[in-house]
Amino acid sequence: NAGVTQTPKFQVLKTGQSMTLQCAQDMNHEYMSWYRQDPGMGLRLIHYSVGAGITDQGEVPNGYNVSRSTTEDFPLRLLLAAPSQTSVYFCASSYSVTGNSPLHFGNGTRLTVT
Amino acid sequence: GQQVMQIPQYQHVQEGEDFTTYCNSSTTLSNIQWYKQRPGGHPVFLIQLVKSGEVKKQKRLTFQFGEAKKNSSLHITATQTTDVGTYFCAGGFSGNTGKLIFGQGTTLQVKP
Repeated sequence: NAGVTQTPKFQVLKTGQSMTLQCAQDMNHEYMSWYRQDPGMGLRLIHYSVGAGITDQGEVPNGYNVSRSTTEDFPLRLLLAAPSQTSVYFCASSYSVTGNSPLHFGNGTRLTVT
Repeated sequence: GQQVMQIPQYQHVQEGEDFTTYCNSSTTLSNIQWYKQRPGGHPVFLIQLVKSGEVKKQKRLTFQFGEAKKNSSLHITATQTTDVGTYFCAGGFSGNTGKLIFGQGTTLQVKP
């Protein structure tokens, strides 16, 4: 049981480049989400999904796109990377879509945009 | 918008001292969860509180949910060096379709 798997672990991008952060879970969780973590800001919700084909915006969605074509995968796309998107990104999943079950986090992707 | 405020941002204690972190929301929470993140790691779930006035204990950790379900606290008795890390609260709001809003976190340093 791998849990929540994120790739890559580290990435350096130049301003204006695009990339996709991958997230996969093998726990058959309906709920998946992306957070970014910045010093002093805690974990801020970017996008979330309550099931395949359903996505919604979180607190800081601008500059990011998501899709949920399968229950297992929830990729996060940066369309035009900016230095303000330098952060640590965490994917998290949960078996309940009502917010009353624990979130299982991946190990994170550390992204630097120069 | 929905926000969860957490204080203090940092706390340095001597090993054996107690530690408390507080979370507040301007609106009523449906539930609150607590997570711990070790340096360089990812957040790990500790506990969830759902009922008004609820108190739960895990060994030296005591978690409380306020009567109005707008605030919560985590208290660690007699800290140990293994308690080092960042503690986050995360609030769930009614009708929010599952999303959890995290506080800013409290980073605990313990001096041996």
